[in-house]
Amino acid sequence: GQNIDQPTEMTATEGAIVQINCTYQTSGFNGLFWYQQHAGEAPTFLSYNVLDGLEEKGRFSSFLSRSKGYSYLLLKELQMKDSASYLCAVRGGDYKLSFGAGTTVTVRA
Amino acid sequence: DVKVTQSSRYLVKRTGEKVFLECVQDMDHENMFWYRQDPGLGLRLIYFSYDVKMKEKGDIPEGYSVSREKKERFSLILESASTNQTSMYLCASNPGSSASGANVLTFGAGSRLTVL
Repeated sequence: GQNIDQPTEMTATEGAIVQINCTYQTSGFNGLFWYQQHAGEAPTFLSYNVLDGLEEKGRFSSFLSRSKGYSYLLLKELQMKDSASYLCAVRGGDYKLSFGAGTTVTVRA
Repeated sequence: DVKVTQSSRYLVKRTGEKVFLECVQDMDHENMFWYRQDPGLGLRLIYFSYDVKMKEKGDIPEGYSVSREKKERFSLILESASTNQTSMYLCASNPGSSASGANVLTFGAGSRLTVL
């Protein structure tokens, strides 16, 4: 089976940087995804990493280390609209996607 | 804009009732999925389908069944609803094995089911 861990909650100030860590233990690996989910809404795709290293997309970056079973999502220049849950998901050797429980980020003025 | 549409946002049912949750996607995707989302547990896969009339069990299929008669539509069925099936149900789709790269899941807005 898959085991995916991420912190339950994080709080940060508008304009700051927040890093959400995700560690995983899976049977095989075929990519790691980050999704954003605002309360009452559908999860939306943020990033995909399949090779080691950093992927940058505007204010959001995602990092992967396959040897360590570790990823992080970095949110820069935080805005109030970034208050949401962030879901780490891993595609295992069977190509099924398994999700962590999600990290709720609260941005304060 | 591409869409996954779940017909019911909120449902309240009684124990023992049969419940149908409908999902339609307009992206011509091969794969469709049903997840449930519970606080502290994340999204858990119930069933998925990689082709019309095909279905595969996910991690928690007990108490559920599915139907995929047309490519665009994937239904989740609770034959006899129980209180422990009170949850948020999310439908999703992705292009399938023919797609290269990330093969990203697109989600519907969810159906919140309460079983009394």
